[in-house]
Amino acid sequence: EAGVAQSPRYKIIEKRQSVAFWCNPISGHATLYWYQQILGQGPKLLIQFQNNGVVDDSQLPKDRFSAERLKGVDSTLKIQPAKLEDSAVYLCASSSDPTNTQYFGPGTRLTVL
Amino acid sequence: GEDVEQSLFLSVREGDSSVINCTYTDSSSTYLYWYKQEPGAGLQLLTYIFSNMDMKQDQRLTVLLNKKDKHLSLRIADTQTGDSAIYFCAESKDSNYQLIWGAGTKLIIKP
Repeated sequence: EAGVAQSPRYKIIEKRQSVAFWCNPISGHATLYWYQQILGQGPKLLIQFQNNGVVDDSQLPKDRFSAERLKGVDSTLKIQPAKLEDSAVYLCASSSDPTNTQYFGPGTRLTVL
Repeated sequence: GEDVEQSLFLSVREGDSSVINCTYTDSSSTYLYWYKQEPGAGLQLLTYIFSNMDMKQDQRLTVLLNKKDKHLSLRIADTQTGDSAIYFCAESKDSNYQLIWGAGTKLIIKP
């Protein structure tokens, strides 16, 4: 079974630029999560999708971050415009109910200069 | 409130057992997880335990759950250099399937 795929693996941009990350979850997993992980910290949930609907985006900075999962499979996370404090690893995870065991992709390391 | 706490570092000698501890606050949690993160990598699920269990063993890994004290531990037997990583404890809330994460324990292996 293929795992969660993410791209790109690394991205370096300047502040005020925009960037997009892509995630392909494990086949059949209805729930998809985007996390932000700052160095030395645990993951922070940004948004949770159930199929193509948003379950929770309470911690997503909506003035600059957006995410979509149009067909209930792949998802993209966008930052526009980026700030220095957005430098982090962005992790995508998926799960199939009811155990909620989340499987993670390798992450995208974003550096904002 | 929601909080999962872990020590930041643990140093053990190669071949010894490592015990990583975690405390959580939400007694309604249904599943508790241990994830491993190696440098530059994503989070790898190691094991999980259902809240009605006290212990789970999987090869070199033993998970102990004390629900009364809200204490979870991960024991790694015969610790090897490949076990060097950050270990995250997480609890799952039944209501929305979200995970509450600890800050991670960095396991350092001494030769």
